[in-house]
Amino acid sequence: KQEVTQIPAALSVPEGENLVLNCSFTDSAIYNLQWFRQDPGKGLTSLLLIQSSQREQTSGRLNASLDKSSGRSTLYIAASQPGDSATYLCAVSGNTDKLIFGTGTRLQVFP
Amino acid sequence: GAGVSQSPSNKVTEKGKDVELRCDPISGHTALYWYRQSLGQGLEFLIYFQGNSAPDKSGLPSDRFSAERTGGSVSTLTIQRTQQEDSAVYLCASSLVGGGDTQYFGPGTRLTVL
Repeated sequence: KQEVTQIPAALSVPEGENLVLNCSFTDSAIYNLQWFRQDPGKGLTSLLLIQSSQREQTSGRLNASLDKSSGRSTLYIAASQPGDSATYLCAVSGNTDKLIFGTGTRLQVFP
Repeated sequence: GAGVSQSPSNKVTEKGKDVELRCDPISGHTALYWYRQSLGQGLEFLIYFQGNSAPDKSGLPSDRFSAERTGGSVSTLTIQRTQQEDSAVYLCASSLVGGGDTQYFGPGTRLTVL
């Protein structure tokens, strides 16, 4: 059974810092991995999707890497801003379409 | 363009009552998903539709839960004889063709069972 873990559970940093969020999964037979952000009381916003054949994806200040064989992904956020404060979730899909989610990292960026 | 919409945004009901939650996917998206987010369990998959068919309903927690999709568009999740443990945020997502496509989520319906 696929299990997805995210570390740390919570993170508080001053504005401007570069930071790394970690995601690990137990079954390397994934189809893809997605990173989402969730703002309080809101739905999920897709940030990046990495196919299993890819090593990384970039969007603006965000860079996500995937090491399928070791069951790990990282989300790198450059020059963090208060507007980045949210909960970040990673999710993997296997040979079925459903997403298996991690428990999330709650990020706070203070001015 | 319009994203995934869900209604109602909040629902408070009494234990034992039935509730219906609605999801309008992005126009043209063939795949539709229901998830549940609760404090103790995180975000869990419930059911997946491809068109009007549900090839994967493995996440439905009991036979009190059912869902349907009509016209390849709107979906309704029905919970019969609600229990307090059903309290959660119910999220709907859609994707263009399924098969690992990016899933786009709605804002969710917060269900509280008293």
